[in-house]
Amino acid sequence: AQSVSQHNHHVILSEAASLELGCNYSYGGTVNLFWYVQYPGQHLQLLLKYFSGDPLVKGIKGFEAEFIKSKFSFNLRKPSVQWSDTAEYFCAVNARGGGYNKLIFGAGTRLAVHP
Amino acid sequence: DAGVIQSPRHEVTEMGQEVTLRCKPISGHDYLFWYRQTMMRGLELLIYFNNNVPIDDSGMPEDRFSAKMPNASFSTLKIQPSEPRDSAVYFCASSPTRDRSNEQFFGPGTRLTVL
Repeated sequence: AQSVSQHNHHVILSEAASLELGCNYSYGGTVNLFWYVQYPGQHLQLLLKYFSGDPLVKGIKGFEAEFIKSKFSFNLRKPSVQWSDTAEYFCAVNARGGGYNKLIFGAGTRLAVHP
Repeated sequence: DAGVIQSPRHEVTEMGQEVTLRCKPISGHDYLFWYRQTMMRGLELLIYFNNNVPIDDSGMPEDRFSAKMPNASFSTLKIQPSEPRDSAVYFCASSPTRDRSNEQFFGPGTRLTVL
């Protein structure tokens, strides 16, 4: 069965610090990969996604993620976080083929950025 | 586009009562998903539909939960009878088949409290 593992459940940073959130998935075939963000009290919003092409994906608000197929990883990065980045971040994977649109979500990482 | 619409946004009810949550997907999207989010269990997929037909309901916790999609623009999630452990935020999401990346678009959620 497919699964998604997010290594850090809670991360605390100061403003301007660099961020990297880990995400690994277990599936041997072709995948679509996503990072969603959930700001306090709000719904999930797409931050970025990888479907094909350049494995370095740039998203909104200065976030980027790199798909490393050999490591089954899709880590999220931001060079300098802001207080407004305080949120919960979810990695998700969708296995391509078979016509199914089911996403498997990781457990989420709560990021707190202090001024 | 108005995005995925959910109602009500907040629901407080007493144990044993019937609860009905509603969702209107984005027009033209033919996949619809119901998720439940709690602190303990994170984000769980309950059921999803394709072209109004339930495809996978393996995430529905028990017979007290049921979901319907009578047409392409409306779905309901019903809990009868409700229990305090059903308290959670319930999200609806939709996705278009034509989007090969299988991105899902989330609604604002319904925060359910069962007393």
